Amino acid sequence: NAGVTQTPKFRILKIGQSMTLQCAQDMNHNYMYWYRQDPGMGLKLIYYSVGAGITDKGEVPNGYNVSRSTTEDFPLRLELAAPSQTSVYFCASSQAGETQFFGPGTRLTVL
Amino acid sequence: AQTVTQSQPEMSVQEAETVTLSCTYDTSESDYYLFWYKQPPSRQMILVIRQEAYKQQNATENRFSVNFQKAAKSFSLKISDSQLGDAAMYFCAYRKFEGGGADGLTFGKGTHLIIQP
Repeated sequence: NAGVTQTPKFRILKIGQSMTLQCAQDMNHNYMYWYRQDPGMGLKLIYYSVGAGITDKGEVPNGYNVSRSTTEDFPLRLELAAPSQTSVYFCASSQAGETQFFGPGTRLTVL
Repeated sequence: AQTVTQSQPEMSVQEAETVTLSCTYDTSESDYYLFWYKQPPSRQMILVIRQEAYKQQNATENRFSVNFQKAAKSFSLKISDSQLGDAAMYFCAYRKFEGGGADGLTFGKGTHLIIQP
């Protein structure tokens, strides 16, 4: 079991560029999540999904989009990157009612 | 909305001694879960301990234990016999019981734990 994997590990974007952060899990979890962690802060929920084809907004969804076409994958799309999106992004997954498992994170810098 | 507050930005403890990290939370729910996560410099989020609000008994995992005071909405983490490998950021987190956690965790801002050799 690889658990939750995220790619890339690091990325530098220019203002206005777009990119997709990839997340995959091999634990057959129904629930998947995207969080961001700003310096000196805890994680904040961006989007979540309770199954393929079902997504919903979290606390800080502006500037992001997600899709969930399979149980395994939950990509996060950044359109028109802004410096405020400089952060570390974590993907997580869980079964309903169970503990969340986190990926290793993606450090994104927007210049 | 739920909030989680960690009032200690940084704590320092001598190796082999005991340290307690504080966490308070605000919720109108009666059933929920509380967690402590550890984040070492590698950035990986590692679950330390989990507490179900309906359980009166405090959770324990080896050297880690909690003091859960539901009425006071307090959830502190005690680390006994501190080791150098315990140095990390520690985050307290809350999750509603309803919905099975579908809408994610609410985190505090974290406490940076330093272990003095």
